[in-house]
Amino acid sequence: AQSVTQPDIHITVSEGASLELRCNYSYGATPYLFWYVQSPGQGLQLLLKYFSGDTLVQGIKGFEAEFKRSQSSFNLRKPSVHWSDAAEYFCAVGETYGGSQGNLIFGKGTKLSVKP
Amino acid sequence: NAGVTQTPKFRILKIGQSMTLQCAQDMNHNYMYWYRQDPGMGLKLIYYSVGAGITDKGEVPNGYNVSRSTTEDFPLRLELAAPSQTSVYFCASSYGVETQYFGPGTRLLVL
Repeated sequence: AQSVTQPDIHITVSEGASLELRCNYSYGATPYLFWYVQSPGQGLQLLLKYFSGDTLVQGIKGFEAEFKRSQSSFNLRKPSVHWSDAAEYFCAVGETYGGSQGNLIFGKGTKLSVKP
Repeated sequence: NAGVTQTPKFRILKIGQSMTLQCAQDMNHNYMYWYRQDPGMGLKLIYYSVGAGITDKGEVPNGYNVSRSTTEDFPLRLELAAPSQTSVYFCASSYGVETQYFGPGTRLLVL
């Protein structure tokens, strides 16, 4: 069955430190891949997406992610974290075939805390 | 563009009551979705629609109904509210299988 795993429930990093959030997926074909961010009490905002082509994708707010087919991973990175990056981050797989084409399968999220 | 709008923002229901969560989008998207978000569980798809007059079940449809009479609106109906339906509900829309855009959410408490 299709699934998305975010192994880290909660991560704390110091402001200015680098960040990597992990995402692994299980899907029968090449999926569409997304990272969304959710601030407390807010909806979800798209950070970046991968559909095809260059496996390193750039997003908003200085984030990037790399699709590694051999590892079924799509990890999110940022070289220097800002206090405003504290939020919950969701990785999602977009179904690319069949009757549920377009539907998203979400991971359970990783909560990021930033310490001064 | 207002994007995706949801009303109400917050609601308390008694067990057995019914209500409709409203969702509207002004981006002329053909696909619309309803999700529920529970703490530590990510988002689960309740229902989705690929166009006016077409709806289909997602992963967790029990206890809910939807309709899609126009491109813009996609209301979610709870007929007999149960405590298990306490959650935050998000509506989203997309143009085909492209990026989904989310509304601000409706927080529902069933007591």
